[in-house]
Amino acid sequence: QVQLVESGGGLVKPGGSLRLSCVASGFIFSDYYMSWIRQAPGKGLEWVSYISSRGSTIFYADFVKGRCTISRDNAKNSLYLQMNSLRAEDTAVYYCARDREYYDMWGQGTVVTVSS
Amino acid sequence: QLVLTQSPSASASLGASVKLTCTLSSGHSSYAIAWLQQQPEKGPRYLMKLNSDGSHIKGDGIPDRFSGSSSGAERYLTISSLQSEDEADYYCQTWGTGIRVFGGGTKLTVL
Repeated sequence: QVQLVESGGGLVKPGGSLRLSCVASGFIFSDYYMSWIRQAPGKGLEWVSYISSRGSTIFYADFVKGRCTISRDNAKNSLYLQMNSLRAEDTAVYYCARDREYYDMWGQGTVVTVSS
Repeated sequence: QLVLTQSPSASASLGASVKLTCTLSSGHSSYAIAWLQQQPEKGPRYLMKLNSDGSHIKGDGIPDRFSGSSSGAERYLTISSLQSEDEADYYCQTWGTGIRVFGGGTKLTVL
């Protein structure tokens, strides 16, 4: 079965850190770029970061530069997002998605809440 | 700057057709986009990749009721024979080197 499953979300205080994970199955993970996308409550979709198939190319949206690190472990079919210095405005559902420049496969999302 | 513009809302009657629009910013009229559907309380679902010439690649299992077309900087999603489950948010998305961009989304209400 082709799927992406995110985990690692939760409640964290402002300034805190979280590491999100996404496990892929049903396709050759190492062949594809991957992205993280987020959606704040009641808002639209917002791209966060993408990583190339071997991890050699990485880009971030301006609002997370210096605070987030995307990585992957192709041996484990896994994608990660390390988030530091979290702010209230980072509260969102975080999705991982298979990135073919367009997103043809999405996970169910993991909820990150930043609040004191 | 690469920007996608969508109307915030649209509505149409059950069984009717609706055409949603996504507009590419100036200088980007040749870009392809993708259409996504997000039903209430669910994650997004890929509908199709739509090229500037109107050709499109639909996702697995996407009904024939969903079709795409293009004209200049406009990209369209037409949904025919509207069903209640089509009530959802629809997003367009495009890309460049080092960037991925989403439109603001259109909330479709099926009356």
